[in-house]
Amino acid sequence: GQQLNQSPQSMFIQEGEDVSMNCTSSSIFNTWLWYKQDPGEGPVLLIALYKAGELTSNGRLTAQFGITRKDSFLNISASIPSDVGIYFCAGRVNTGFQKLVFGTGTRLLVSP
Amino acid sequence: DVKVTQSSRYLVKRTGEKVFLECVQDMDHENMFWYRQDPGLGLRLIYFSYDVKMKEKGDIPEGYSVSREKKERFSLILESASTNQTSMYLCASTLGSGIGNNEQFFGPGTRLTVL
Repeated sequence: GQQLNQSPQSMFIQEGEDVSMNCTSSSIFNTWLWYKQDPGEGPVLLIALYKAGELTSNGRLTAQFGITRKDSFLNISASIPSDVGIYFCAGRVNTGFQKLVFGTGTRLLVSP
Repeated sequence: DVKVTQSSRYLVKRTGEKVFLECVQDMDHENMFWYRQDPGLGLRLIYFSYDVKMKEKGDIPEGYSVSREKKERFSLILESASTNQTSMYLCASTLGSGIGNNEQFFGPGTRLTVL
């Protein structure tokens, strides 16, 4: 199945730093979703994007739907230790059904 | 809040056993999904269902079957478990089609080990 290219694969940062990660695809998507997965848990939806160019925030998180509809990024500002986890992007292709394509994840580690 | 629950957090089974993984959602969602998650491979779709008694193959359906007899419940069945089916299994659901209704909500996962 198709996968999205998500980068970086992992990041190790200091508490208080800002973080940026992105996803790119060869296909056009009409929806981008960002999830966070804590160890041993299922992914939790953070932000949903539905329009090209859309910029949406959720607390310290900000995500954007790329103008080309083939990419999206997620920023986390002023990171804290509980931001640790794996962040996944997911895109929906316009196939008439809500099948999502997932990125391979960015593992974030935050040092206190 | 949407709640998606899975019957077990951890399961250990033997090769050849028949395994049932149950998923229940409490928000009257139309669509339900089963994924497996493996390191380096991300989430891969096994099967999905858009209505009671309806099912569609995902990207990796081999070795699995599903059952959706009631709207709120979607079961994943391993007819004869094999060691390569050791994985984290995630269930998800969505309200329906259309913008804003297709955000997938996930259960906590079932970590299955096949010995």
